[in-house]
Amino acid sequence: GAGVSQTPSNKVTEKGKYVELRCDPISGHTALYWYRQSLGQGPEFLIYFQGTGAADDSGLPNDRFFAVRPEGSVSTLKIQRTERGDSAVYLCASSSNTGELFFGEGSRLTVL
Amino acid sequence: GEDVEQSLFLSVREGDSSVINCTYTDSSSTYLYWYKQEPGAGLQLLTYIFSNMDMKQDQRLTVLLNKKDKHLSLRIADTQTGDSAIYFCAINNAGNMLTFGGGTRLMVKP
Repeated sequence: GAGVSQTPSNKVTEKGKYVELRCDPISGHTALYWYRQSLGQGPEFLIYFQGTGAADDSGLPNDRFFAVRPEGSVSTLKIQRTERGDSAVYLCASSSNTGELFFGEGSRLTVL
Repeated sequence: GEDVEQSLFLSVREGDSSVINCTYTDSSSTYLYWYKQEPGAGLQLLTYIFSNMDMKQDQRLTVLLNKKDKHLSLRIADTQTGDSAIYFCAINNAGNMLTFGGGTRLMVKP
């Protein structure tokens, strides 16, 4: 597709469950970012990939959160033992060397 | 860390100008951005300004940057009901990583 694609668009889970969120960036974009947007707030940085490697994971809140990008394209954000406070919209963005970030529509996670 | 602040809410009448303000703390940013977010949609880049510029105009949008005061503003001329959305300012620090403000909800009344 032409833009950043994120799946699922909505995910409802129970506290303690494991969740995976997927991001398919724009073809050819080497950089990929994950942000988290809680209700009524701006997006907060989680992790940044350049190619296959995590160039900066300083925004991950704790070790329950992990992200991979094994082939330098699609990325998966993984959340273990979900908590109610993890409920948010998880946004993915990609960019080329020009630097402009293109955002997907996000995956809304609700932890009951 | 970086801190980016915005007022929460702005209400204007259709046809008036809107001015959305943003203050930040990190003076080393290279680019400063304005994003628009409509309900249920992703973030859309509206415009950006390079840190060595004072002003940038793009059709109905005017961005003003006061580096001394670390103040960024977005002016929307002839505001339309379709401009109703949440507007985020964002600045880059390390590489392309962006720090966002909390967003300003713009309501345009007919």
